[in-house]
Amino acid sequence: AQSVSQHNHHVILSEAASLELGCNYSYGGTVNLFWYVQYPGQHLQLLLKYFSGDPLVKGIKGFEAEFIKSKFSFNLRKPSVQWSDTAEYFCAVNRMNTGFQKLVFGTGTRLLVSP
Amino acid sequence: SAVISQKPSRDICQRGTSLTIQCQVDSQVTMMFWYRQQPGQSLTLIATANQGSEATYESGFVIDKFPISRPNLTFSTLTVSNMSPEDSSIYLCSVGLGLAVDTQYFGPGTRLTVL
Repeated sequence: AQSVSQHNHHVILSEAASLELGCNYSYGGTVNLFWYVQYPGQHLQLLLKYFSGDPLVKGIKGFEAEFIKSKFSFNLRKPSVQWSDTAEYFCAVNRMNTGFQKLVFGTGTRLLVSP
Repeated sequence: SAVISQKPSRDICQRGTSLTIQCQVDSQVTMMFWYRQQPGQSLTLIATANQGSEATYESGFVIDKFPISRPNLTFSTLTVSNMSPEDSSIYLCSVGLGLAVDTQYFGPGTRLTVL
């Protein structure tokens, strides 16, 4: 079965620190990759996505992610976090060859940025 | 993206009763999805609801427990039937957008507590 792994369940950083959240998936076919963010008390929002082309994708709020096909990874990065980045981050994958856009989510990473 | 609303935003229900959750979108969409997010866990797809066809349920979810309606292209309902405390979760709807309906946008969720 297809799975999505997020290795860090909780991350605590100080403001201005660099961030990298890991995401690995198990499916070997063509996939679309997503990062969603859920700020405290808010709904799930799309942060960025990768479909094809340049494996380094940029999203909102200074986030970026790199797709490394050989490693089945799609890690999220930000060079300098802010207190407002405190949130839960979810990696998600969908398969493209079934005609059915099923999203499989990772377990999420809770990021706490201390001021 | 799309503006998605859900009603109710939260509810506390008694065991054995049923609750219907509404999802309204501000534009016409073909594909709508219902997810469950149990406490401390990630999102799990319950079913896909396409207008004009029966909902497609994921493994572990059945129509008798989670009946879904999709009467038009902007609206869907999910009913949680014969509830037990194990049904306490956040229930989210999402819509598929994009050329290949390949990006999902989420509603604010309905937080359900079953006593």
